[in-house]
Amino acid sequence: AQSVSQHNHHVILSEAASLELGCNYSYGGTVNLFWYVQYPGQHLQLLLKYFSGDPLVKGIKGFEAEFIKSKFSFNLRKPSVQWSDTAEYFCAVNTGGATNKLIFGTGTLLAVQP
Amino acid sequence: DVKVTQSSRYLVKRTGEKVFLECVQDMDHENMFWYRQDPGLGLRLIYFSYDVKMKEKGDIPEGYSVSREKKERFSLILESASTNQTSMYLCASSLRDGIYEQYFGPGTRLTVT
Repeated sequence: AQSVSQHNHHVILSEAASLELGCNYSYGGTVNLFWYVQYPGQHLQLLLKYFSGDPLVKGIKGFEAEFIKSKFSFNLRKPSVQWSDTAEYFCAVNTGGATNKLIFGTGTLLAVQP
Repeated sequence: DVKVTQSSRYLVKRTGEKVFLECVQDMDHENMFWYRQDPGLGLRLIYFSYDVKMKEKGDIPEGYSVSREKKERFSLILESASTNQTSMYLCASSLRDGIYEQYFGPGTRLTVT
């Protein structure tokens, strides 16, 4: 069965620190990859996605992620975090097709201290 | 802007009650989904629907059923609520292809006492 692993469950950073959140998936075929973010009290929303082309994708609010097929990874990065980045981050994968069924990781709770 | 709305933000029900959670989307999306979100477990898919009257089980369908009579509306039903169904329930919708993102509603926090 397909699965998604997020290795960091809880991350605490100071403002201006760099961020990298790990995401690995288990599926040998073509995948579409997503990072979603849930700010406190808000809807889950898309941060960025990859489905083809340049493996380095840029999203909202200065986030980017790199798809490394050989490592089955899609790590999220931001060079300098802000207090407003405090949120829960979810990596998700689908294997394409009409049903668009996503498999989510367990999430990483990021707390940025001012 | 895509909008996914859920009928209640907070709901308190008693054990054994029948519970209906409603979700409506306004973007003519074919696919709709129900998840539950629990701390440390992420989002787990309960049921999804890819067309009116069509449904498929997700990863944790036990104790739940769904109904999709109109394209814009997808209902989650707890036939006999139990305390282990206390959770945050999220509805989502999307277009019919895996390259498209899912759009989420605000969630319903259900407490079963």
